[in-house]
Amino acid sequence: EIVLTQSPATLSLSPGERATLSCRASQSVSSYLAWYQQKPGQAPRLLIYDTSKRATGIPARFSGSGSGTDFTLTISSLEPEDFAVYYCQQRSNWPPYTFGQGTKLEIK
Amino acid sequence: QVQLQESGPGLVKPSRTLSLTCAVSGGSISSSNWWTWVRQPPGKRLEWIGEIYDGGSTNYNPSLKSRVTISVDSSENHFSLKVKSVTAADTAVYYCARAAGIGGWFDSWGQGILVTVSS
Repeated sequence: EIVLTQSPATLSLSPGERATLSCRASQSVSSYLAWYQQKPGQAPRLLIYDTSKRATGIPARFSGSGSGTDFTLTISSLEPEDFAVYYCQQRSNWPPYTFGQGTKLEIK
Repeated sequence: QVQLQESGPGLVKPSRTLSLTCAVSGGSISSSNWWTWVRQPPGKRLEWIGEIYDGGSTNYNPSLKSRVTISVDSSENHFSLKVKSVTAADTAVYYCARAAGIGGWFDSWGQGILVTVSS
């Protein structure tokens, strides 16, 4: 089973700042990595898939990069609605699909 | 825009079977998608439980495979999850989701249902 480790656990930033979130896989997942956003009491929402492809309706300020074992989600300029928990997920080696433990993006 | 809605009991006694249903609206369940169950124990990461294709093919998380069954009812446009012999460790918010096309990415989710295992 591929283990995904996200860092940092918590990121404190202000609106307008740039956010950089990391996800590291225990073995290569090629480009088969996605990012989700989850707000309290809500289901996760798909943001990015196949490392860098934005899902339908996702703003251009969200971007993804990386390959192999190291991946990054970047939010270029934080909006108030972007403060949430972010999860990475792999579909390279399944079953099972696996998720990271999450990064909480909080307002500074 | 497909919508999913979980339903089922919010409380299950230990050693019993947990049963949930996911109703699909805004589209046919027989539409070449993978229909999935994911759970999230309190304060923990998301855990993929398993999936079913509209033709009936299934894949399960090896850690749960011996206790889990996912089935589909095309006439009712819903799919279901059963987890047998539950313990407190099965307490979680359970989500149903869709993975479009070849699968793997979950692009539509239900709102989630909290299931507590307790006597």
